[in-house]
Amino acid sequence: DQQVKQNSPSLSVQEGRISILNCDYTNSMFDYFLWYKKYPAEGPTFLISISSIKDKNEDGRFTVFLNKSAKHLSLHIVPSQPGDSAVYFCAMDFGNEKLTFGTGTRLTIIP
Amino acid sequence: SQTIHQWPATLVQPVGSPLSLECTVEGTSNPNLYWYRQAAGRGLQLLFYSVGIGQISSEVPQNLSASRPQDRQFILSSKKLLLSDSGFYLCATRGATNEKLFFGSGTQLSVL
Repeated sequence: DQQVKQNSPSLSVQEGRISILNCDYTNSMFDYFLWYKKYPAEGPTFLISISSIKDKNEDGRFTVFLNKSAKHLSLHIVPSQPGDSAVYFCAMDFGNEKLTFGTGTRLTIIP
Repeated sequence: SQTIHQWPATLVQPVGSPLSLECTVEGTSNPNLYWYRQAAGRGLQLLFYSVGIGQISSEVPQNLSASRPQDRQFILSSKKLLLSDSGFYLCATRGATNEKLFFGSGTQLSVL
């Protein structure tokens, strides 16, 4: 039973354009949402997060949107840069000491 | 700030051989520690987590076991590896604010 789904396994975006990565979840108990970025043969690194009391959080080129009624999380990257090419995982928590991760989306930025 | 040491970076083992992967954490005390696995084409799956010395919780039935002999040491083991144990293994710990996970650099395990 996959509680967190990233339905797009891959995404290609032109450099300078906006990249939109999506994540859907089923467990309404989740109250903290995160995005991680992973390069090959490296551990994931934290990118940005949002708590359930907000619907938007912005950090530089990265913005995370949370739609609780739709149980949908998204990450916007604008403008996209070649160094953004990586696998992106969404992750969720409801205070039980564990993060539940999505299956990941491989983002490729085309120069 | 905390640092996670994980080794080896790459490991090739024959089916049926034992496994021991070690993870140590610096810069924090009494951390929550986690073992995740990323199998080919799949997301990050939580295997084990520990909230203290000798306290291990298993998330999925499997061929692996975990131990925490010291506060900042977490070990992933197997007595006999299976082909399906191949994957990228990641050790992680919670940040000071107890919200974010910080990951080690990972071990790529290939069972042949």
